[in-house]
Amino acid sequence: GQSLEQPSEVTAVEGAIVQINCTYQTSGFYGLSWYQQHDGGAPTFLSYNALDGLEETGRFSSFLSRSDSYGYLLLQELQMKDSASYFCAVRDGASGTYKYIFGTGTRLKVLA
Amino acid sequence: DSGVTQTPKHLITATGQRVTLRCSPRSGDLSVYWYQQSLDQGLQFLIQYYNGEERAKGNILERFSAQQFPDLHSELNLSSLELGDSALYFCASSGVQGTENNEQFFGPGTRLTVL
Repeated sequence: GQSLEQPSEVTAVEGAIVQINCTYQTSGFYGLSWYQQHDGGAPTFLSYNALDGLEETGRFSSFLSRSDSYGYLLLQELQMKDSASYFCAVRDGASGTYKYIFGTGTRLKVLA
Repeated sequence: DSGVTQTPKHLITATGQRVTLRCSPRSGDLSVYWYQQSLDQGLQFLIQYYNGEERAKGNILERFSAQQFPDLHSELNLSSLELGDSALYFCASSGVQGTENNEQFFGPGTRLTVL
């Protein structure tokens, strides 16, 4: 079946760098996305990788290795406002159609 | 503000009842997606509509149904409600059927409580 695995919780201090990993198992694959969700808020899009390699957007970077079915989100120069849950997501293109699968989320706690 | 609106914000109802959640996508977006998020859980994809037609289906229960109207707003109907249906229901929209970067814009959600 299709699944995404990511750590449930990560803790880091302000100014540090943190990496959130995501491994996936899908029947088809059309790219890996990352979303941020603050408590009580809606998910907001952070990044997308369709091809292998690193995509950088400001303090956030995302990496994909399709051969390893693995990706990660890298957050640099952590700030308190980065405390949130982070979800990886794939568009699984099995059976000629597709559906969206989200991981269970990684709760990031940034300490002062 | 993502530009996606959802009503109502909160909904409290009893088991066995039926409710309708409403979503208006961002101006110009043709795709609408529905997700369910239970307490401390990830997002469960329910269904996607593109320009009025169903395009993708996730783990949506038979008690649930959705549609997208000509003006592109969408409604999610939940019937024979059970306690386990209590959750946050998100609607999202995107520009085309599965955008180039898969970016979806999420609304603020409707919190459903079934008593």
